[in-house]
Amino acid sequence: NAGVTQTPKFQVLKTGQSMTLQCAQDMNHEYMSWYRQDPGMGLRLIHYSVGAGITDQGEVPNGYNVSRSTTEDFPLRLLSAAPSQTSVYFCASSYPRDRGAARQHYEQFFGPGTRLTVL
Amino acid sequence: AQKITQTQPGMFVQEKEAVTLDCTYDTSDPSYGLFWYKQPSSGEMIFLIYQGSYDQQNATEGRYSLNFQKARKSANLVISASQLGDSAMYFCAMREGYGDYKLSFGAGTTVTVRA
Repeated sequence: NAGVTQTPKFQVLKTGQSMTLQCAQDMNHEYMSWYRQDPGMGLRLIHYSVGAGITDQGEVPNGYNVSRSTTEDFPLRLLSAAPSQTSVYFCASSYPRDRGAARQHYEQFFGPGTRLTVL
Repeated sequence: AQKITQTQPGMFVQEKEAVTLDCTYDTSDPSYGLFWYKQPSSGEMIFLIYQGSYDQQNATEGRYSLNFQKARKSANLVISASQLGDSAMYFCAMREGYGDYKLSFGAGTTVTVRA
């Protein structure tokens, strides 16, 4: 299993540009989420999904869109990048469909992160 | 209000000694879970240990143990016999409610292990 994969690893954007951060998991997890990590603030939840076709907002959703057309993929779209969106972005997944084979606490598995700079 | 508070921004510990990282939480939900993650300088998030609110015993995983004091709403991580590879940022996180997997994170504590 590749686990949770994210692309790209690094990205530089200019203010106003749009882009999509890709996230995929091969663990048959129902739950996927996006966090951003800023210095001194820990990770904050942007958007999450409890299954294909279902998404909801987290703590800091403004300026971001998500969709979940398949169980495996959960892309994060920046509509019009702003310098305040400079951050490290983590995708995470949890809650396997085959729950009998998993640990009960269903920890979230994180991708390697995408470091985004908006100039 | 902050749901997870980690009051120690940075700590130094001597190799082979134990270190305790503080975490206090705030929730009114009787069902919740507490997680600790490690983030080395390479940036990945590594799950360390979990404590459920209904668990009767403190969680342990190898050199990691969780000192869970429910009445005080604290879930401190203890790392025994520190190793140089333990130098990293450590995050405490909480999920609230049954069937909800959103995590609230603390600001983190940086641990530096000295030889």
